Amino acid sequence: NAGVTQTPKFQVLKTGQSMTLQCAQDMNHEYMSWYRQDPGMGLRLIHYSVGAGITDQGEVPNGYNVSRSTTEDFPLRLLSAAPSQTSVYFCASSSQRRTEAFFGQGTRLTVV
Amino acid sequence: DAKTTQPNSMESNEEEPVHLPCNHSTISGTDYIHWYRQLPSQGPEYVIHGLTSNVNNRMASLAIAEDRKSSTLILHRATLRDAAVYYCIRVVTGNQFYFGTGTSLTVIP
Repeated sequence: NAGVTQTPKFQVLKTGQSMTLQCAQDMNHEYMSWYRQDPGMGLRLIHYSVGAGITDQGEVPNGYNVSRSTTEDFPLRLLSAAPSQTSVYFCASSSQRRTEAFFGQGTRLTVV
Repeated sequence: DAKTTQPNSMESNEEEPVHLPCNHSTISGTDYIHWYRQLPSQGPEYVIHGLTSNVNNRMASLAIAEDRKSSTLILHRATLRDAAVYYCIRVVTGNQFYFGTGTSLTVIP
């Protein structure tokens, strides 16, 4: 049972480039979400999904897009990377409302 | 989440109890309180959660104030493996997690 898998683990982008961070879970969870963690800080919610085809914005959604075409996958797209998006990104999934969430190992993104 | 505050750091001696406080003074009646911990270069790991009543599991206990404006995570006997950053989290509709500021716990052998 792999849990929540994020790819890639590390990525360097140039300002203005676009890319997609991948997140997949094999636990048939309905709820998935994306967070970013800046140095010395807690995680902040970017976007979340309560099921396939349903997404919504969190605290810091600007500059990011998401879609949820399947239960398993929840990719995060950076439209035009900026240095302010340098951060560690975590994906999480959970089975029901307000239950335990499982986090991936993170993607460390640097924008130069 | 600016509404959820925790002390920046705490220390505990090994095998002694640790009480980690959290203030969430603007919590609504349907928000859950979760606690997770995070080791360096890893994703957060679930510890415990609750709504109104105190909760116990194999890892820890969670004491929730009667007015729900604060809570305390209790590690009954700290071990070196408990050294981590502990986050108090307000969980709202849609399983949105709003993280607190985090407490870095140091366990002294």
